[in-house]
Amino acid sequence: QKEVEQNSGPLSVPEGAIASLNCTYSDRGSQSFFWYRQYSGKSPELIMFIYSNGDKEDGRFTAQLNKASQYVSLLIRDSQPSDSATYLCAVDSSNTGKLIFGQGTTLQVKP
Amino acid sequence: KAGVTQTPRYLIKTRGQQVTLSCSPISGHRSVSWYQQTPGQGLQFLFEYFSETQRNKGNFPGRFSGRQFSNSRSEMNVSTLELGDSALYLCASSFGLAGATGELFFGEGSRLTVL
Repeated sequence: QKEVEQNSGPLSVPEGAIASLNCTYSDRGSQSFFWYRQYSGKSPELIMFIYSNGDKEDGRFTAQLNKASQYVSLLIRDSQPSDSATYLCAVDSSNTGKLIFGQGTTLQVKP
Repeated sequence: KAGVTQTPRYLIKTRGQQVTLSCSPISGHRSVSWYQQTPGQGLQFLFEYFSETQRNKGNFPGRFSGRQFSNSRSEMNVSTLELGDSALYLCASSFGLAGATGELFFGEGSRLTVL
């Protein structure tokens, strides 16, 4: 079992729709969860972080965390073509302090 | 504020050779992490250095090594290159340890092709 798992996609949504990106992790002791966005040919950049169970909203983005289910998600409302990118979930390892990335989900927003 | 700088951006090597990649972090950042990115494996953690000490290491063979200097600049070295080492090598800096802060600033990467 991989430490951080994401569906590689591609996930295709029409412009204006809600895109839902999911991530599961194996380390029950993990405390910090991050979402990075990587445009094609570019480097990853941090867009959201969440530490507590529940929802955290930032503009059109909402991060959701459920530690009991070891599940973290990212919702993008009113998706735009400019949101088309690969979204990487990252989780801290409670044992080692490493930041572990999932393989990423490619999102395609079609006009 | 200058970002993370990686050199060289592109390089081509042949099997058996060695390569050294360099990373200059954002000023004031003391942690440098290295990742290997390939289409099939995603972002794989190589190692993290903080204040010149290796704090974490990923599951890569001993051919992969690194170091950090007193000015926080870091280098990674890959010896006896194999075809499978072809990848984008990303360096990321952070103020504190990566797992603690989570906010990594990535360089543009060094794309290594092994022939």
